[in-house]
Amino acid sequence: DIQMTQSPSSLSASVGDRVTITCQASQDISNYLNWYQQKPGKAPKLLIYDASNLETGVPSRFSGSGSGTDFTFTISSLQPEDIATYYCQQYDNLLITFGQGTRLEIK
Amino acid sequence: QLQLQESGPGLVKPSETLSLTCTVSGGSISSSSYYWGWIRQPPGKGLEWIGSIYYSGSTYYNPSLKSRVTISVDTSKNQFSLKLSSVTAADTAVYYCAGTTVTTLAWFDPWGQGTLVTVSS
Repeated sequence: DIQMTQSPSSLSASVGDRVTITCQASQDISNYLNWYQQKPGKAPKLLIYDASNLETGVPSRFSGSGSGTDFTFTISSLQPEDIATYYCQQYDNLLITFGQGTRLEIK
Repeated sequence: QLQLQESGPGLVKPSETLSLTCTVSGGSISSSSYYWGWIRQPPGKGLEWIGSIYYSGSTYYNPSLKSRVTISVDTSKNQFSLKLSSVTAADTAVYYCAGTTVTTLAWFDPWGQGTLVTVSS
């Protein structure tokens, strides 16, 4: 099974900061990597698919990059409404695993 | 626009079978080459993929749960279902149903709102 290691597990940042979250796969997954945002009590929301593609309607301050085993998710300028937990998710060979999540807080 | 809604008992006894249904509205569950899946989240913890079913009926399960999971589709009711047998307290979680509206098992969008299932006697 492919394991996803997401870091950090929690992060505190100020409004306007650039925020970066990383996700590492235990083996090469090409660009089969997605990112979700989950707010308390809500279902996850797809933000980025296939490592770098922004889902329709998602603000452009969100971006993703990477391929192979190392991936990065970035918020270019943190907004108060971005407070949430973020998850990476890989899909390879018809099996799916999620990263452990990164809880993002406002400093 | 597709919408999904989970339904089922909120309380299940240990050793029994958890059964949930997801009703799809805004489109036919069998009209496109989509996948339909279940994901769960224990209280305060992360997301775990349980499994998915292709509109044709082919199933794909998390290896760690495979021996206890059955996912099926009822096209006449535009629903798909989850059965998880021999449950324990560790199966207490919010259970989400979700669609994969592309022709490969890739990402999940849209999602249902989730339903909390507690395993307790």
